[in-house]
Amino acid sequence: QKEVEQNSGPLSVPEGAIASLNCTYSDRVSQSFFWYRQYSGKSPELIMSIYSNGDKEDGRFTAQLNKASQYVSLLIRDSQPSDSATYLCAVKGNNFNKFYFGSGTKLNVKP
Amino acid sequence: DTEVTQTPKHLVMGMTNKKSLKCEQHMGHRAMYWYKQKAKKPPELMFVYSYEKLSINESVPSRFSPECPNSSLLNLHLHALQPEDSALYLCASSLGQGDQPQHFGDGTRLSIL
Repeated sequence: QKEVEQNSGPLSVPEGAIASLNCTYSDRVSQSFFWYRQYSGKSPELIMSIYSNGDKEDGRFTAQLNKASQYVSLLIRDSQPSDSATYLCAVKGNNFNKFYFGSGTKLNVKP
Repeated sequence: DTEVTQTPKHLVMGMTNKKSLKCEQHMGHRAMYWYKQKAKKPPELMFVYSYEKLSINESVPSRFSPECPNSSLLNLHLHALQPEDSALYLCASSLGQGDQPQHFGDGTRLSIL
């Protein structure tokens, strides 16, 4: 079983819609969760961090964490074509500064 | 622009060459990372340095040799690489304690002839 799992997609949504990206993780003691956006040929860019159960909003982005279900999600409201990218879910392990990445979900926002 | 600077941006080398990748950060971070990323795949961890000491080596072949000369610098020395080593090499840093995230550099695109 992988540490972090994501649906690889592609997830296609029309411009202006809400995109919902999901991630599950296996280690119950994980405390830190991150979403990165990666455009093709570029490096990952941190867009959200979440540490507590519930929702965290930053502009058009909302991260949701449910530790009991070992589930973290990212909602993108009013999706724009510029949001088209691969979104990586990352979970920080308890030891040795190790981060576990999911395989990424490719998002296509169609004009 | 990122606060983690990687040089060079592109590198083409033959299988018998020796080259080095460089990474620099001035955010006071004490953990630094090397990742390898192939197309359409997530970053694959290679090495972690914590407080300038190697703390994780993910069974990387010895043709890759990391070095952390000080808390701001991280090098990856390359020797006798194979064509399958062609990839994007990413450096990242994090605070080194607590729950803080990693920040990535722009990467070095490496091609092995």
